[in-house]
Amino acid sequence: AQSVTQLGSHVSVSEGALVLLRCNYSSSVPPYLFWYVQYPNQGLQLLLKYTSAATLVKGINGFEAEFKKSETSFHLTKPSAHMSDAAEYFCAVSAWDGGATNKLIFGTGTLLAVQP
Amino acid sequence: KAGVTQTPRYLIKTRGQQVTLSCSPISGHRSVSWYQQTPGQGLQFLFEYFSETQRNKGNFPGRFSGRQFSNSRSEMNVSTLELGDSALYLCASSLFTGVGNTEAFFGQGTRLTVV
Repeated sequence: AQSVTQLGSHVSVSEGALVLLRCNYSSSVPPYLFWYVQYPNQGLQLLLKYTSAATLVKGINGFEAEFKKSETSFHLTKPSAHMSDAAEYFCAVSAWDGGATNKLIFGTGTLLAVQP
Repeated sequence: KAGVTQTPRYLIKTRGQQVTLSCSPISGHRSVSWYQQTPGQGLQFLFEYFSETQRNKGNFPGRFSGRQFSNSRSEMNVSTLELGDSALYLCASSLFTGVGNTEAFFGQGTRLTVV
């Protein structure tokens, strides 16, 4: 069965500093991985997804993530944090194992605070 | 194009009552999934529908049910509400591809408070 683990429920960075949000996965099949962002009282917005085409995935708002099979990781990074990046970030893995499903399994989330 | 629309946005119900939440997916999307989000349990999968058929169900009691209509709109129902059902309920729509790399588009959610 697939699962994801997000290390660090709260991360605080200064504006302009590097953002690094950690995600490790477990999957019995080659995984499809996603990062979503959630602003207060909003739904989830897709930042980027890994679908095996390339190990370094670029997303919206300057975010990117690198798939590392040897480390079973899919960490999210952004070179320079902006105040508007303050939100909760969720890593997710598809529950697909050859059947017909769009079910996603989410990590527990990381709340990112950006200090001025 | 219009996004996923969930109604109502906010709802307050009393224990023991029942509630129905609605989700209109993006035009052309035939797959709808529902998730429950709470501070304690995080995001948990409720169920998934495609072409009016339930394809997958999460580990929730039978008080939670759903359905999908021929126009792909979906509703979920919770009967005999409990305090623990207070949560943000999120609906997601997808183009059904049968492979796990399809993007899910989420609505803004319905915030249910049970008192």
